[in-house]
Amino acid sequence: GAGVSQSPSNKVTEKGKDVELRCDPISGHTALYWYRQSLGQGLEFLIYFQGNSAPDKSGLPSDRFSAERTGGSVSTLTIQRTQQEDSAVYLCASSLTRNQPQHFGDGTRLSIL
Amino acid sequence: AQSVTQLGSHVSVSEGALVLLRCNYSSSVPPYLFWYVQYPNQGLQLLLKYTSAATLVKGINGFEAEFKKSETSFHLTKPSAHMSDAAEYFCAVSDQTGTASKLTFGTGTRLQVTL
Repeated sequence: GAGVSQSPSNKVTEKGKDVELRCDPISGHTALYWYRQSLGQGLEFLIYFQGNSAPDKSGLPSDRFSAERTGGSVSTLTIQRTQQEDSAVYLCASSLTRNQPQHFGDGTRLSIL
Repeated sequence: AQSVTQLGSHVSVSEGALVLLRCNYSSSVPPYLFWYVQYPNQGLQLLLKYTSAATLVKGINGFEAEFKKSETSFHLTKPSAHMSDAAEYFCAVSDQTGTASKLTFGTGTRLQVTL
């Protein structure tokens, strides 16, 4: 597709379960970002991938959060042992290279029961 | 560290009136500045960006913003509001010199447009 694609659009799970969120960036974009949007914290940076470089994980809130990007394209954000405070919208963005405008997907709305 | 402050979490204007959404930034290095718009249940759409070229930046949908270094401001304006402009607007800053260029966002301003 032409834009950033995220799946699922909505995810409801029980506390303590693991979840995987997927992001398909715009074709040819080498930079990929994950952000979290929640009522209490606003929009927060989580992690950044640039080509084959080591990712910038400085925004991950705990070691329950991890992400990978396979083949320089699709990325998966994994949250282990989910907690209620993990409920948020998780947004993925991609850009042609670093410092280029970021294009966002519609997000995954995660609800932890 | 970089930060952005958006003054006014809610702004209401009449259709046809001037829109002014305020953004002040803090950055120890030359910044890149952005305005994004978010419609309900959607991601963020880039309105415009400042990347150290012209200080008056024109974006989509008739919006523009002016970078004022002396005031550390990057306010968003539109001469005449339209009903379709009702949305949430986010100002963001990134580091020109950093390796990550991650965005730091303001808390957002919800724009309401009334008849």
